[in-house]
Amino acid sequence: AAGVIQSPRHLIKEKRETATLKCYPIPRHDTVYWYQQGPGQDPQFLISFYEKMQSDKGSIPDRFSAQQFSDYHSELNMSSLELGDSALYFCASSLRGTGFHEQFFGPGTRLTVL
Amino acid sequence: RKEVEQDPGPFNVPEGATVAFNCTYSNSASQSFFWYRQDCRKEPKLLMSVYSSGNEDGRFTAQLNRASQYISLLIRDSKLSDSATYLCAVNMDTGGFKTIFGAGTRLFVKA
Repeated sequence: AAGVIQSPRHLIKEKRETATLKCYPIPRHDTVYWYQQGPGQDPQFLISFYEKMQSDKGSIPDRFSAQQFSDYHSELNMSSLELGDSALYFCASSLRGTGFHEQFFGPGTRLTVL
Repeated sequence: RKEVEQDPGPFNVPEGATVAFNCTYSNSASQSFFWYRQDCRKEPKLLMSVYSSGNEDGRFTAQLNRASQYISLLIRDSKLSDSATYLCAVNMDTGGFKTIFGAGTRLFVKA
């Protein structure tokens, strides 16, 4: 079965650079979520989109922005990168109509800021 | 106080043991509940959704107590392959969709 696809899988950036992470949800899923997971920490909810509109916002820094496109893929844009942004970034998708909104996660993008 | 709290770990158990994880949540508007399993440096994988009446899937049993605002996961006959971090997750329908994860409980199953 098709899963959530994330790219790139690994990314190395310098401080103050920008990065763009991409997420392709499971086909027919209408909701996308972004999470940040630092070493030894639980996934922190950043932002979610439903039907291409921002649905909810968590602890996403102002330096980050995200959007969902007409084909339902989503991009997380990160600017003025800081050392503390080094983390695993997960995207998850779900189908709202199921009621439970079970989320299925992609393999993550490992971002390292030097 | 964190919105979702789990038992601090790690849990070290022998193969064949029964182990229980608990998770409490503070927001009574929470609507749906899940257990995820996460292996080191991998993505969380959905283990079970937690239904109001409780549900079982093989060696795994999940329970929900809305009155006390906690969920539990019971693993019977532990296998070495059960070693992982177990995360509880709570969905809140805030008009949007927001999911809060617990900090996770690490399980080590020993031969």
